[in-house]
Amino acid sequence: EAGVVQSPRYKIIEKKQPVAFWCNPISGHNTLYWYLQNLGQGPELLIRYENEEAVDDSQLPKDRFSAERLKGVDSTLKIQPAELGDSAVYLCASSLGVSSYNEQFFGPGTRLTVL
Amino acid sequence: GNSVTQMEGPVTLSEEAFLTINCTYTATGYPSLFWYVQYPGEGLQLLLKATKADDKGSNKGFEATYRKETTSFHLEKGSVQVSDSAVYFCALSDSGGSNYKLTFGKGTLLTVNP
Repeated sequence: EAGVVQSPRYKIIEKKQPVAFWCNPISGHNTLYWYLQNLGQGPELLIRYENEEAVDDSQLPKDRFSAERLKGVDSTLKIQPAELGDSAVYLCASSLGVSSYNEQFFGPGTRLTVL
Repeated sequence: GNSVTQMEGPVTLSEEAFLTINCTYTATGYPSLFWYVQYPGEGLQLLLKATKADDKGSNKGFEATYRKETTSFHLEKGSVQVSDSAVYFCALSDSGGSNYKLTFGKGTLLTVNP
């Protein structure tokens, strides 16, 4: 069974440019998460989806970040415009549900460098 | 708010040495506790978990016991291998038994030399 797929794996852009990350969760997983991982830090939740609905986006900087999960499967995270401080690894994870019995499976991440 | 504090790395050991990575937490309520591992170039993988006080999580020779009295969840392994070289993250979930909002520590890099 395929794991969580993310693309691209690496992205280098200049500041003020837009950028988008794509995530394909494990088949059948209704819950999808986007995390931000700064260098030397643990992941921090940006947004959580239950099917198509964003049920927790309290940590998403809405002035420049947006996300969508059309049809409740794939998801896209966008930054527009990117700033130098956005350089980090963006992780996508999915799970069957939100109980403590449902393990979150993580993708390999997209490493963003903003110049 | 919730927080997790891990011992800072990097940790370098010889093969077959004993491993301890300390983890303490601050949380309201009764969180579930987790250890995740990240091998080079891969995503985070759940290593083990414990959902209530005195529970012991174990997997692949690793163990951790949920200690409510000391708010700790230290990771141990009796004999490490080169293949255990990775970054280890301690994490907790919000109270209420749901794991949807994980709070992670900063991670500890472990390098095991042959």
